[in-house]
Formats: sequence, C-alpha cells, structure tokens
Amino acid sequence: TQLLEQSPQFLSIQEGENLTVYCNSSSVFSSLQWYRQEPGEGPVLLVTVVTGGEVKKLKRLTFQFGDARKDSSLHITAAQPGDTGLYLCAGRGSSGSARQLTFGSGTQLTVLP
Amino acid sequence: DAGVIQSPRHEVTEMGQEVTLRCKPISGHNSLFWYRQTMMRGLELLIYFNNNVPIDDSGMPEDRFSAKMPNASFSTLKIQPSEPRDSAVYFCASSPNGLTGELFFGEGSRLTVL
Repeated sequence: TQLLEQSPQFLSIQEGENLTVYCNSSSVFSSLQWYRQEPGEGPVLLVTVVTGGEVKKLKRLTFQFGDARKDSSLHITAAQPGDTGLYLCAGRGSSGSARQLTFGSGTQLTVLP
Repeated sequence: DAGVIQSPRHEVTEMGQEVTLRCKPISGHNSLFWYRQTMMRGLELLIYFNNNVPIDDSGMPEDRFSAKMPNASFSTLKIQPSEPRDSAVYFCASSPNGLTGELFFGEGSRLTVL
C-alpha cells in the first residue's frame, strides 16, 4: 500500500500571505496529481507532474515534484479567500494495482479576508 | 457539458436498510471509480470499472457492499444492510483513461446511517 502524508493537516492564514503544503511518501510515483476540493463538491484537478524535479505554475500556485518522485509541494503566493479549500495530493504507481491513484489525507486551507 | 452526475445528494436512513447510490459518468469516459470520504480515513477507493467491467474491488469494505455497471452510462453502489459506520460521502469519478489520466468527480452522495 502506498501511503501519502500531507502536512500541515490544517492551515489558516491571512489574505496576502504565502504558504507551502507538502506531500510525502516512501514510495516512488510515476506521476502525482494535486486536486482542490471545495465544500459540498468533488475534488477538481489542478495539475499533474510526471518528471522528477518538475515545476509547474498555475497563476499564483507553484507545484514541484521531488527529484526522486517521492514527494511534492504546493506553494501559493499572496493567498486569497478564493484559495480556501481542501488540497489533496494523489500519487500513481508504476505497475499493477499501484497504477491507481492513492490520495493523501489532505490539507485544509482557510484564507481569511 | 454535463459532468459526473450522482444521486441522491443526501440520504438519511436507519441501520439495516438498503441504500443504493447512483452515478452517470461523463459520456465517452471508459473508467469509473467509486470512492468513500470520511474525516478519519480521507478518500478511499472502493472499486474501479474499466469498460463496464470491475477491475479491482479490493477496497470494498465487506460483502454488504456491491457495485454494478450494467452499461457505459450508469453505475450503482449498494449497501445492504447499512450500518452507522457506513456514514460518509460517496464519490463517483470517471476518466477517459483510468490508469493515466485525470479523474472527474461528481458532487458526491452524503450518506447518514442512524
């Protein structure tokens, strides 16, 4: 079983602040996805990273895949209340049933106006 | 375009009753997933279908849970008999390629078993 640990579990910050959330595992992933989930809705894909060391930017969000493809981070610059939500990382293994997505437990982010 | 459609959105039932959750995937997607989300355990994969065939049901908690996909546009997840520990939000997701691509989630069915 591939386990993904996310930290912090909860984060509450003021509008305009920067933040980083982490996703760590002892397993190697062929790819890793980040989803955001808002209350009463299902998760929505933000980004997929595939190559070790890869960095992708989505407006104020910067995603990085670790060199060894075991971990990832999400950095948000100048957070806004609209960024509030549950951020989930999900890793996909290389073969067999491990190719199915395994989700982390999530980071609940609250951005206060 | 219509996304993944789940029903009911909310279900409150008593212990021992049968519960049926329904899902209509996005047209053209060949993979369908049922997930369960709780505060304690997060998002857990219950079962995965590819081209209407169950591929991996190792996440189904026990025999009380069953899932079917009679055609490409419909799937059900049934719990019989239901127990209070089954209370959770159940998500259906579909994907154009279940083993490599993005998952598109429905809005979920919130189940409360009293």
